[in-house]
Amino acid sequence: SQTIHQWPATLVQPVGSPLSLECTVEGTSNPNLYWYRQAAGRGLQLLFYSVGIGQISSEVPQNLSASRPQDRQFILSSKKLLLSDSGFYLCAWSTDAPRETQYFGPGTRLLVL
Amino acid sequence: GENVEQHPSTLSVQEGDSAVIKCTYSDSASNYFPWYKQELGKGPQLIIDIRSNVGEKKDQRIAVTLNKTAKHFSLHITETQPEDSAVYFCAARHQAGTALIFGKGTTLSVSS
Repeated sequence: SQTIHQWPATLVQPVGSPLSLECTVEGTSNPNLYWYRQAAGRGLQLLFYSVGIGQISSEVPQNLSASRPQDRQFILSSKKLLLSDSGFYLCAWSTDAPRETQYFGPGTRLLVL
Repeated sequence: GENVEQHPSTLSVQEGDSAVIKCTYSDSASNYFPWYKQELGKGPQLIIDIRSNVGEKKDQRIAVTLNKTAKHFSLHITETQPEDSAVYFCAARHQAGTALIFGKGTTLSVSS
């Protein structure tokens, strides 16, 4: 069966510091991968999605970037964090099958101070 | 682009009562409508979904209905239990390969 991992689970970082969040998927090949941000009490905002290695689409211009160095690895990064980057970051995956349901990881809670 | 509106934002019911959450979408070409349940501090989990060629789908106490003409779909939970308390999100997808568009969520509280 497929599983999706995210780490770290929680992170507290000072303003201006770099960021690297990692997401890996097991049990499937060539998944579509997604990064979402969820601010407190808010909905899900799509940040990036990827249909293959090195292929990244950005949905919202911002202080963040994404990379996909391997088929089942998706990384969210920032060179300098802002206070507004605080939130709950979720990675998700889907397949190219017609169903294409998205399955979410456990999330990373980021607090920028 | 697609826009999804979800109502209500909060819903409180007594254990055993039914709960209904409604969503409307703007793009008539959307063809896939999943519902997710998110418990505190966890990622959303898919609970049920429906495609545009079906009007209703049931899974035990959960059902989803779709009205393509009116462009709205609803989640129905019967015989609610305290463990149903969570945030529920609806979503719509225009076509395969594009991302889901989510509603802003409904916080459901079931009191015993």
